[in-house]
Amino acid sequence: KNEVEQSPQNLTAQEGEFITINCSYSVGISALHWLQQHPGGGIVSLFMLSSGKKKHGRLIATINIQEKHSSLHITASHPRDSAVYICAPETSGSRLTFGEGTQLTVNP
Amino acid sequence: NAGVTQTPKFQVLKTGQSMTLQCAQDMNHEYMSWYRQDPGMGLRLIHYSVGAGITDQGEVPNGYNVSRSTTEDFPLRLLSAAPSQTSVYFCASSLGLAGNEQYFGPGTRLTVT
Repeated sequence: KNEVEQSPQNLTAQEGEFITINCSYSVGISALHWLQQHPGGGIVSLFMLSSGKKKHGRLIATINIQEKHSSLHITASHPRDSAVYICAPETSGSRLTFGEGTQLTVNP
Repeated sequence: NAGVTQTPKFQVLKTGQSMTLQCAQDMNHEYMSWYRQDPGMGLRLIHYSVGAGITDQGEVPNGYNVSRSTTEDFPLRLLSAAPSQTSVYFCASSLGLAGNEQYFGPGTRLTVT
């Protein structure tokens, strides 16, 4: 079993829809990162959180440490949100374990 | 700031050749790491460094060497390329251990024939 499970693997939405991507992990962590990989391949950090909830614009990330679960939400989705979203729990020593990613396509 | 830079962007090698993938950052980050990304798998850690002169192995270190002579540079050396090393390689840096934002380079797409 992978240490990090993301769901769904693929997600297609219509512009304006509310989107949720889930991440479950089995290891103890000090923080959890959400990353975005654009079609061109570049990876950018969206969030790093160790408890509760964070919000940047239309993106919201939540984490429940006891349940070992995190979610990434996108409100009012837009075609430019189309990308791969990667969950990466951070274990002690700043080691990241990566999920396989969720491919999101938002159609106009 | 340029952030994290990687060269080359693309490379084709023949089996048995050696080469060095370059990575540099100008943010004075102590922590640097190399990952490979393969289809159907998450990013996997090859080697990492917590500061100049200090390196350690990650999850998939075989066939790769690293060194960290300066804070800025963290080159990855392929000693004798194999087709199994065909992948996209990402370098990343962060300010320090635990709970710091990760900054990724643009990646190097390597094909070994």
